Amino acid sequence: KAGVTQTPRYLIKTRGQQVTLSCSPISGHRSVSWYQQTPGQGLQFLFEYFSETQRNKGNFPGRFSGRQFSNSRSEMNVSTLELGDSALYLCASTEGSGPNQPQHFGDGTRLSIL
Amino acid sequence: AQKITQTQPGMFVQEKEAVTLDCTYDTSDPSYGLFWYKQPSSGEMIFLIYQGSYDQQNATEGRYSLNFQKARKSANLVISASQLGDSAMYFCAMREDNTGTASKLTFGTGTRLQVTL
Repeated sequence: KAGVTQTPRYLIKTRGQQVTLSCSPISGHRSVSWYQQTPGQGLQFLFEYFSETQRNKGNFPGRFSGRQFSNSRSEMNVSTLELGDSALYLCASTEGSGPNQPQHFGDGTRLSIL
Repeated sequence: AQKITQTQPGMFVQEKEAVTLDCTYDTSDPSYGLFWYKQPSSGEMIFLIYQGSYDQQNATEGRYSLNFQKARKSANLVISASQLGDSAMYFCAMREDNTGTASKLTFGTGTRLQVTL
């Protein structure tokens, strides 16, 4: 099975722009979660989508949004980019909703804001 | 309060030796899961091992084992017979069942492990 695929791997934007990141989960996985990783804040949960519905949301401003399509692929959008949005954005998929289901992560998208 | 605490920012271990990476957690939820992930410098997070709060036995996966001490709220990762390829950041993470989803993980700050010859 192919793993979680995130595109693009690297992205450079300037302040005020917006960006869309893409995540294709492992085939058959219906849950997709997004995390932001920065040196200062570490790994922080952004949101989770399951069957095209946002199931859970972390403590991020409304500039961060996402969606999930019927094929479980997910996109994350950040509008009005700020310097502090520079981070590694990780997407993870989970096969089911059982409590012992591990999340399988992609390689991440490294976003740099100039 | 920190939910997941990893007190070792960096660790060194010689090749073929065993190493223990510490993790303590804080939760009032009786049902929770603990995970360990490895993150090489390339960035991807690799799932290593899982321990459920109701599991009676410590989890093991190949060279990885989890020393779960529920009363102490600790879930230390033990890597046996270290290899050069084990050099990476290691994260402990927790999922609390009261979040309403199996998919929200809270991570510790990580431990950077360096395996030396």
